[in-house]
Amino acid sequence: NAGVMQNPRHLVRRRGQEARLRCSPMKGHSHVYWYRQLPEEGLKFMVYLQKENIIDESGMPKERFSAEFPKEGPSILRIQQVVRGDSAAYFCASSPPPGAGGNYGYTFGSGTRLTVV
Amino acid sequence: AQTVTQSQPEMSVQEAETVTLSCTYDTSESNYYLFWYKQPPSRQMILVIRQEAYKQQNATENRFSVNFQKAAKSFSLKISDSQLGDTAMYFCAFMKPLGGGTSYGKLTFGQGTILTVHP
Repeated sequence: NAGVMQNPRHLVRRRGQEARLRCSPMKGHSHVYWYRQLPEEGLKFMVYLQKENIIDESGMPKERFSAEFPKEGPSILRIQQVVRGDSAAYFCASSPPPGAGGNYGYTFGSGTRLTVV
Repeated sequence: AQTVTQSQPEMSVQEAETVTLSCTYDTSESNYYLFWYKQPPSRQMILVIRQEAYKQQNATENRFSVNFQKAAKSFSLKISDSQLGDTAMYFCAFMKPLGGGTSYGKLTFGQGTILTVHP
């Protein structure tokens, strides 16, 4: 029973390039969350998605950032025209569908560390 | 909006001793969950313990226990018999469930406390 899978583990991009971060939720989980962790800080919520639908994107920067969770395949966090300030660890988590119960402590992936040079 | 505050940036403890990490939060919600997560140098976020706000009994998981004071909006973590493997960053987090409580919600994290266990 694989956990939440994120790849790549490390990603280096030059300023102006695009970064694509992938997240495959746990089996049976239909909801995905993305969080960003800047150095020496806690995790900050970015976006909450279910398949083919964005539920809450209140934490997403207005420009350059987008997220999707298609019917088939992993969830993708896309950052266009990256800048040095985008350097951070990006974590994905998943949870079961509503009403499925659980302990409400959802499972995190190992994160993708993005470095912009 | 909810806020979570961890007032101790760093803590240290001797192996086998007990340490308590502090967390306070601010919310107007009545139904919510509180969590402690551990982040070791590997960066993996590991759930340590959770507490439902409607439960008066404090949660316990082996050497980890919480002191949940709902009226004071306080949620401290006690680690007993500290081990070297407990060395990590610890985050307190708040969740308001959605959909009348049937759905998970987003987590709001505190700034974290770096715990070092010395041999």
